[in-house]
Amino acid sequence: EVVMTQSPATLSVSPGERATLSCRASQSVNNNLAWYQQKPGQAPRLLISGASTRATGIPPRFSGSGSGTEFTLTISSLQSEDFAVYYCQQYNDWPPYTFGQGTKLEIK
Amino acid sequence: QVQLQESGPGLVKPSETLSLTCTVSGGSISSYYWSWIRQSPGKGLEWVGYVFYTGSGFYNPSLKSRVTISVDTSKNQFSLRLNSVTAADTAFYYCARGTREGYNGDYFESWGRGALVTVSS
Repeated sequence: EVVMTQSPATLSVSPGERATLSCRASQSVNNNLAWYQQKPGQAPRLLISGASTRATGIPPRFSGSGSGTEFTLTISSLQSEDFAVYYCQQYNDWPPYTFGQGTKLEIK
Repeated sequence: QVQLQESGPGLVKPSETLSLTCTVSGGSISSYYWSWIRQSPGKGLEWVGYVFYTGSGFYNPSLKSRVTISVDTSKNQFSLRLNSVTAADTAFYYCARGTREGYNGDYFESWGRGALVTVSS
């Protein structure tokens, strides 16, 4: 099973600033990596697939990069609605599909 | 735009079987992979398994001995059964549509709102 590790567990950033979230895989997942955003009481929402392709309707301030075992989600200028929990998911080696434990992005 | 809605009992007794159904609207259940994903309160996400519209599927090895996922194309529904439940199975259960590109696996573009299932006597 591919273990996904996200860091940091909690990130405190001020609105308007840049946020950088990391995700590491225990073995190469090529670029088969997705990012999701989850707000309290809601289902996760797909942000990024293929490590760097934004999903439909996702604003350009969200960008993904990386390949192999190291991945990054960057939010270029944080808006109030961006404070949430973010998860990465690998879909290269399955079953099972595996998720990271999440990074909580909170207002500084 | 496809919509998914989970339904089923919110309370299950220990050792009994958890049963949930996901109803798909706004699109056909055919030609996609349909997954169940769960999230224990305050915890992360765990993929439970998927079913293809033909009825074939894959399960998380950690749950494989207890899980069955089936599909009913005539009703545009798919279902989860998890037997011999314990308190550790208490979670929000989400149904989701998998998007598969080439020979890669699935990421999840469409999700239901989730159903909380509590295992308690």
